[in-house]
Amino acid sequence: KAGVTQTPRYLIKTRGQQVTLSCSPISGHRSVSWYQQTPGQGLQFLFEYFSETQRNKGNFPGRFSGRQFSNSRSEMNVSTLELGDSALYLCASSLEGSLNQPQHFGDGTRLSIL
Amino acid sequence: KQEVTQIPAALSVPEGENLVLNCSFTDSAIYNLQWFRQDPGKGLTSLLLIQSSQREQTSGRLNASLDKSSGRSTLYIAASQPGDSATYLCAVITYQAGTALIFGKGTTLSVSS
Repeated sequence: KAGVTQTPRYLIKTRGQQVTLSCSPISGHRSVSWYQQTPGQGLQFLFEYFSETQRNKGNFPGRFSGRQFSNSRSEMNVSTLELGDSALYLCASSLEGSLNQPQHFGDGTRLSIL
Repeated sequence: KQEVTQIPAALSVPEGENLVLNCSFTDSAIYNLQWFRQDPGKGLTSLLLIQSSQREQTSGRLNASLDKSSGRSTLYIAASQPGDSATYLCAVITYQAGTALIFGKGTTLSVSS
C-alpha cells in the first residue's frame, strides 16, 4: 500500500508570493492533517480535514488555508509569504480521523522563502 | 494549554546499550500518546500508540509506557543499534485540542558502533 505522498518535495519562493502544497493520503484514509516544522517552534498543527470539511484548526494566521477534495487529497495554500514561513510542511493521514488511530506522515515539502 | 517536554534533547550511546527516552505532558486529559521517529530530511514514522486506558505497548525492541496521572511516558529501546540513530518525538491528543497532535521537541539519539 502506498504511503502518504507530498508534492513537491522542495520549493523556493520569494516574499509576497503564494504557494500551494499537495498531499495524497493513504488509500482509504479520509482524514488529512497539516503540520509546520521549524527548528525553533518544532512541530505545530495547522489544520485537519475530514470528508472535505475543515474539522480542526491550529493557531495560524488566515494566510494559511487548505481544502480537501472528494478523493481525500488535500492542498494547503499560503499567501503573501513571509521569511518566517520557511519550514518543512508535513501532511498526515488517518483512516477515519478517530482520536484513537495512529497518524501516518509523508516526507514533507521543504519550503524556503528568499 | 498542553505542553509536552522531552528530556534529554540529545543522547549518545554505544551500540548494544539499553536506553530510555522521556516524555512529560502537563494536562492529563489525553486520548492517546504516540511515539514517532524522524530521520534527517524525512517525515515521521509512527512507532507506538498508547491509548489513554493502556499502560504500555510493545513492538520488537521498543516498549512504551504511559502514566497518565503523573503526565509521563517513556520509550525503552533494547539493545540499541546504529540504525536506531534518529530523532524521537512524542505527541499527545488531548480532549481540548481534539484531533491535533501536540508534539515535544524531540530527543536526538546517536548510537555509535
